[in-house]
Amino acid sequence: GENVEQHPSTLSVQEGDSAVIKCTYSDSASNYFPWYKQELGKGPQLIIDIRSNVGEKKDQRIAVTLNKTAKHFSLHITETQPEDSAVYFCAAGNYGQNFVFGPGTRLSVLP
Amino acid sequence: SQTIHQWPATLVQPVGSPLSLECTVEGTSNPNLYWYRQAAGRGLQLLFYSVGIGQISSEVPQNLSASRPQDRQFILSSKKLLLSDSGFYLCAWSATSDQETQYFGPGTRLLVL
Repeated sequence: GENVEQHPSTLSVQEGDSAVIKCTYSDSASNYFPWYKQELGKGPQLIIDIRSNVGEKKDQRIAVTLNKTAKHFSLHITETQPEDSAVYFCAAGNYGQNFVFGPGTRLSVLP
Repeated sequence: SQTIHQWPATLVQPVGSPLSLECTVEGTSNPNLYWYRQAAGRGLQLLFYSVGIGQISSEVPQNLSASRPQDRQFILSSKKLLLSDSGFYLCAWSATSDQETQYFGPGTRLLVL
């Protein structure tokens, strides 16, 4: 089955700097890769996703890149703000199958 | 627009007591429904998923069970809670036309003492 690893487990950045979180997956059949943001005590919220026919996707300060050959994908947050502080989860899956989530990255943006 | 509700928001239960957590979805028909558990500081573990009324698939063996009595209602139950059942329980839904994108509810925090 699918296995998703995520690094780093914790990340601290200064406000205004960029943050990068990386995930690797094992199942080459996976073709959908969402990223979720979870604030304390709340459910995860989808922030961006990418499908395997696309190498990069951007939404304002957030971007995701995918390397299918190497089986890894990354979340990039530019110009970080204190409200970006949260736990971020990556996931990998295939149409008709269930996701496998990474263990999460706790991002702290220091003012 | 679609919304997903979970209740209760928090629950403290003694070991050996029963459990019933409820999830409902509004604004969509025939959604796929999911129950996840999140231990403190950990990732998301899929417990159950359902593609239709009465259709439940279990991902991990445990003393929990799930039921889907109505199209947009998903219930997580236990006859006797264990200490290890403590955690944050999340319900999620996805559209059958797009089984990939899942949207999560606000969660139920369960503490078993």
